[in-house]
Amino acid sequence: EVQLVESGGGLVQPGESLRLSCAASGFTFSSYWMSWVRQAPGRGLEWVANIKQDGSGTSYVDSVKGRFTVSRDNAKNSLYLQMSSLRADDTAVYYCARVRINLGYGFDYWGQGTLVTFSS
Amino acid sequence: QSALTQPPSASGSPGQSVTISCTGTSSDVGAYNYVSWYQQHPGKAPKLMIYEVTKRPSGVPDRFSGSKSGNTASLTVSGLQAEDEADYYCSSYAGNNNFVFGGGTKLTVL
Repeated sequence: EVQLVESGGGLVQPGESLRLSCAASGFTFSSYWMSWVRQAPGRGLEWVANIKQDGSGTSYVDSVKGRFTVSRDNAKNSLYLQMSSLRADDTAVYYCARVRINLGYGFDYWGQGTLVTFSS
Repeated sequence: QSALTQPPSASGSPGQSVTISCTGTSSDVGAYNYVSWYQQHPGKAPKLMIYEVTKRPSGVPDRFSGSKSGNTASLTVSGLQAEDEADYYCSSYAGNNNFVFGGGTKLTVL
């Protein structure tokens, strides 16, 4: 059974850094693109970042370029999102999702998400 | 990287059909047949319902169908059932390994 389990969310202050993790199981992790997608409270989904199978290629939504870095460790079946210079508008549930290129780049499995919130 | 445009809400009675639109540009929806649709129930993770504009993953009822014309894609839910009440999001590949989502549509089954 495919499982994606995110962790690392929490309460942060503006300007701080945070590292999210996503533990994958039930499939050959190194064979798939992976993505991070976020959802602000009461808002819609926003694609954040992609990483190719071997980590050689990454891409980001403009609003996080230069602040967020996506990486992966295929030996540990893990995906990461290093977030720095965090802003209040980064508040969201962050999902990791598997990308199926042969399903038209659909996101076919999602984790349950990890919440990043800001303290005032 | 502008979000795709969806109506904020849609509704229909049980057994009826409802169609949700998703309008993008010639750089995303219009450029690729890589439009996907997702269903999200409150507090849950999204679920892939349609990929490559018209295709359904295994296990998705054939009441769900997709189409595209130009820069606008559509999701049709036929024979509405109570459990179809959820938020629906479209997504498109936008080139250069980028993706874009729509703002979401809340589907209400009356």
